Amino acid sequence: DSGVTQTPKHLITATGQRVTLRCSPRSGDLSVYWYQQSLDQGLQFLIQYYNGEERAKGNILERFSAQQFPDLHSELNLSSLELGDSALYFCASSVGVKRGALTDTQYFGPGTRLTVL
Amino acid sequence: GNSVTQMEGPVTLSEEAFLTINCTYTATGYPSLFWYVQYPGEGLQLLLKATKADDKGSNKGFEATYRKETTSFHLEKGSVQVSDSAVYFCALTLISSGSARQLTFGSGTQLTVLP
Repeated sequence: DSGVTQTPKHLITATGQRVTLRCSPRSGDLSVYWYQQSLDQGLQFLIQYYNGEERAKGNILERFSAQQFPDLHSELNLSSLELGDSALYFCASSVGVKRGALTDTQYFGPGTRLTVL
Repeated sequence: GNSVTQMEGPVTLSEEAFLTINCTYTATGYPSLFWYVQYPGEGLQLLLKATKADDKGSNKGFEATYRKETTSFHLEKGSVQVSDSAVYFCALTLISSGSARQLTFGSGTQLTVLP
């Protein structure tokens, strides 16, 4: 158990709908990352938050958005869903580093499997 | 840009065989390197890491050495077990001027160990 929790585990919805995925980081971790794992694209970084602020953006579609709340949990919102959005969505957390410091380790949650029908 | 290339899978071995999974990288700066493992139906678990050249990461009998001259981080295990059957991902992250530390992953290598 990594200490990172994600809800729900599974989500089945229809095209055009909107869903929210939730992530609670490990106690004390300030950074939260979202990744998408699909068969055709592999594991791709979507977005990172550090202590409530957006820190980095990867291959995140405009239909997707995220935020990190004051209690440090994060939500990933996916809207106008398409069949191709079906994937495993992982959240990871890390302690977080100051500018220029060495990297820290990311710990992954169990993922949310999204199926768009 | 940054990228990670892993050997094509799947890899099938007999129990107690020697394992090597090749990983090479391209990075615009000085990366830290990781191996993550994903067991069936589960999330990713950190297996080992190395943060500078010539560092050796090790865990559960697995080892990988950070080779800057060949931009490689190959995963090895001397004697695999059935329980090692999983997908293995090589990944890198860069030390940048900010606090962004996103991981760039390879495509993953499926390992199956037969009894």
